[in-house]
Amino acid sequence: QVQLQESGPGLVKPSETLSLTCGVPGSSISGYYYWGWIRQPPGKGLEWIGTIYHDGSTYYNPSLKSRVTISVDTSKTRFSLRLSSVTAADTAVYYCARLVRGYTYGRYYYYMDVWGEGTTVTVSS
Amino acid sequence: SYELTQPPSVSVSPGQTARITCFGDALPNQYAYWYQQKPGQAPALVIYKDIERPSGIPERFSGSSSGTTVTLTISGVQAEDEADYYCQSADTIGTSVIFGGGTKLTVL
Repeated sequence: QVQLQESGPGLVKPSETLSLTCGVPGSSISGYYYWGWIRQPPGKGLEWIGTIYHDGSTYYNPSLKSRVTISVDTSKTRFSLRLSSVTAADTAVYYCARLVRGYTYGRYYYYMDVWGEGTTVTVSS
Repeated sequence: SYELTQPPSVSVSPGQTARITCFGDALPNQYAYWYQQKPGQAPALVIYKDIERPSGIPERFSGSSSGTTVTLTISGVQAEDEADYYCQSADTIGTSVIFGGGTKLTVL
């Protein structure tokens, strides 16, 4: 079973850029799966941030698109999230995940089958 | 984009059947998925493509779909099933992931 591990600063100042990395030890990001980021503010529900494929194609949440960049490391063993101009509203647990995406019987399928354990990011001065 | 609507909470006694619903206008044309999240843990997939159960998920978890509503059913609820449950779907072109607001299942 593949395991994902988030890493990055736990504290970011307002107006700065949040940067996180997700490692996929022992596996490669190339191939069938997509990879993405989801966050959860304290006491609230899940919010999808964005998804990337190994060829670099990306899909972003429209509400965050202007501030988000997701990229794949050239080693193909990790991918990263950058969220610019952060405010207190960006304080959350950030999860990386493996996604399954495809098209069958006239419908898209698109879901997270493996999650990292999450990392807490607090935006505060 | 569209919304998925779940009840905030559902309560059942041990051994009973819990049903958690999720409503969305696009659900007749999009697959639905369900995640279980226990306190302090990451979400875990329990149902995919409306009715499929990943390996390792107990048979008491099942999914169904009828028009604009999908339902997660937990038969013979156990204390360990107490958790938050989130439904999820995608937009019609398979680019955006959409989550419901979550339902807190309480086992009385």
